[in-house]
Amino acid sequence: QVQLQESGPGLVKPSQTLSLTCTVTSGSISSANYYWNWIRQPAGKGPEWIGRIYTSGSTNYNPSLKSRVTMSLDTSKNQFSLKLSSVTAADTAVYYCARGWTGLRSDCFDYWGQGTLVTVSS
Amino acid sequence: DIQMTQSPSSLSASVGDRVTIACRASQTIHSYLNWYQQKPLKAPKLLIYGASSLQIGVPSRFSGSGSGTDFTLTINSLQPEDFATYYCQQTYTSPFTFGGGTKVEFK
Repeated sequence: QVQLQESGPGLVKPSQTLSLTCTVTSGSISSANYYWNWIRQPAGKGPEWIGRIYTSGSTNYNPSLKSRVTMSLDTSKNQFSLKLSSVTAADTAVYYCARGWTGLRSDCFDYWGQGTLVTVSS
Repeated sequence: DIQMTQSPSSLSASVGDRVTIACRASQTIHSYLNWYQQKPLKAPKLLIYGASSLQIGVPSRFSGSGSGTDFTLTINSLQPEDFATYYCQQTYTSPFTFGGGTKVEFK
């Protein structure tokens, strides 16, 4: 069974860059039909999709965050990463990575990491 | 962005009840609608994809229906482990968006 695990600092100072990595095990990050997502969820609120990266390396970001987001892929380590620049307290949230799967007339996130809390505070 | 509106935002139910949660999209999303279950301090779990397809391993008491803009998640015979928050999500067009959630609480 595919497993995803987020890692990175739990505390980031305002104006700095948040950096997280998602490690995928029991499955190749280069597999066809899949893409790799970052989602965040502030306390007490619904999830917000941040963006995705395909195995080709092409990306697709939420326009609300696009100017501050960079995603990358490291196939040798079976990992993908998120960088979010110029963070503020509004970026405090639990950050999840998830696998996206494209099927016939459907597209869904079938495996998720456990999530990691990132707090923006000085 | 496509707005996803869920109703109700919360409901109280008892074990054995039939529960229905609605989700409406601000424009057509065809069948690109997924349902997730989330328990406290856990990641969302995929229940239904493509509006009506049951994810492997999910109990058959969960079902989804709808297409276009109006969708429904039904839980037949609610079980104790079903008390959770449920989210719909559209993946028809980027940015992918989630509904505000429906919290199913014990009556």
